[in-house]
Amino acid sequence: DAGVIQSPRHEVTEMGQEVTLRCKPISGHDYLFWYRQTMMRGLELLIYFNNNVPIDDSGMPEDRFSAKMPNASFSTLKIQPSEPRDSAVYFCASSPLSSLTEAFFGQGTRLTVV
Amino acid sequence: GDSVTQMEGPVTLSEEAFLTINCTYTATGYPSLFWYVQYPGEGLQLLLKATKADDKGSNKGFEATYRKETTSFHLEKGSVQVSDSAVYFCALSENYGQNFVFGPGTRLSVLP
Repeated sequence: DAGVIQSPRHEVTEMGQEVTLRCKPISGHDYLFWYRQTMMRGLELLIYFNNNVPIDDSGMPEDRFSAKMPNASFSTLKIQPSEPRDSAVYFCASSPLSSLTEAFFGQGTRLTVV
Repeated sequence: GDSVTQMEGPVTLSEEAFLTINCTYTATGYPSLFWYVQYPGEGLQLLLKATKADDKGSNKGFEATYRKETTSFHLEKGSVQVSDSAVYFCALSENYGQNFVFGPGTRLSVLP
């Protein structure tokens, strides 16, 4: 398996534009997580899914953020409209159904909103 | 709720020095514990893990022991190398893989 695949790796956009980040989890994994990493706040969990269903979205900062998982092999995180303070590295991770197993992370998307 | 506390960084050591990064946790049940490492420009990679009390996880010369009585999972390495320079995250997960909780990370710099 190629691991968790995120796209794009880098995104630069202007304030007010819509941004969509994409993630393909490892096949067979039941859980998918979206994290945001910044220098100020470290690694924050935004939302996670179990079997394509959102379980906890309490970490989503504002209504401008939304996440979907239309099927087991694809998820999106959308920011509309984007703001400069959204600039961060966004990670997607997936995990199988077991507390004995770690989460597998993608390479991340570095988002810069100017 | 569950939480993970790590020693504040950055930590700067000379090559071949002994490393300890402290990690303590708060959890309602019996979590699995993890150390992840993040090299510059990359995602997080699992370094080691332990799934029950007194288990010792080890990898690449790093070790950590799950101490339930002190709710700790300190990371140690006897002799660090320049290539160990990275950010290290302590983490836990409960409830069958739900909701991994990460510490703030500790940046380690190893000087030649």
